[in-house]
Amino acid sequence: LAKTTQPISMDSYEGQEVNITCSHNNIATNDYITWYQQFPSQGPRFIIQGYKTKVTNEVASLFIPADRKSSTLSLPRVSLSDTAVYYCLVGFSGGYNKLIFGAGTRLAVHP
Amino acid sequence: ETGVTQTPRHLVMGMTNKKSLKCEQHLGHNAMYWYKQSAKKPLELMFVYSLEERVENNSVPSRFSPECPNSSHLFLHLHTLQPEDSALYLCASSQDPGLAGFSSTDTQYFGPGTRLTVL
Repeated sequence: LAKTTQPISMDSYEGQEVNITCSHNNIATNDYITWYQQFPSQGPRFIIQGYKTKVTNEVASLFIPADRKSSTLSLPRVSLSDTAVYYCLVGFSGGYNKLIFGAGTRLAVHP
Repeated sequence: ETGVTQTPRHLVMGMTNKKSLKCEQHLGHNAMYWYKQSAKKPLELMFVYSLEERVENNSVPSRFSPECPNSSHLFLHLHTLQPEDSALYLCASSQDPGLAGFSSTDTQYFGPGTRLTVL
């Protein structure tokens, strides 16, 4: 059964770079990797998406090695407002019922 | 701004009640989704509608009944729920379901959710 695996929680301090890794051993050839951010009592919000190598936008970078069995979300210089749960989503081939969110990584940023 | 609204934001109901959750998307998307999020559990996909046709039902109990009257609105009708159904119910939409259904590049836009408590 295809699934993603992420660390349950991480702690960091303001100004540091945070890297969160997601494992997805059964990723298919045409699957993309998407990361979402969720604050308490809100729905998840799209952060970044990638297929291979490196993708960067104004809030994060996504690193994907050649074998694509894992991906790393990088948040540069985090602030207190980055405290949230981060989910990786891999669009596993085979239909909607293969949309599998990971359990999420709870990131706590401290002053 | 997510462009996806959900009402009510909070709902408390008894096991014999009948209630409905409403979702509306203002993004012109073609696909809409219902998710359940329980405490300390991953998001669980419940239903998917693409172009107003239900395309996925992940073995959800019949006490949950979805309705999609048009591409902008999605309802979740609830009846005879159980306490274990208490959760955050999230609605999402995405732009292009693609010819073969969900595309792995589809970005989903989520609403704020309805916090449901079943007594």
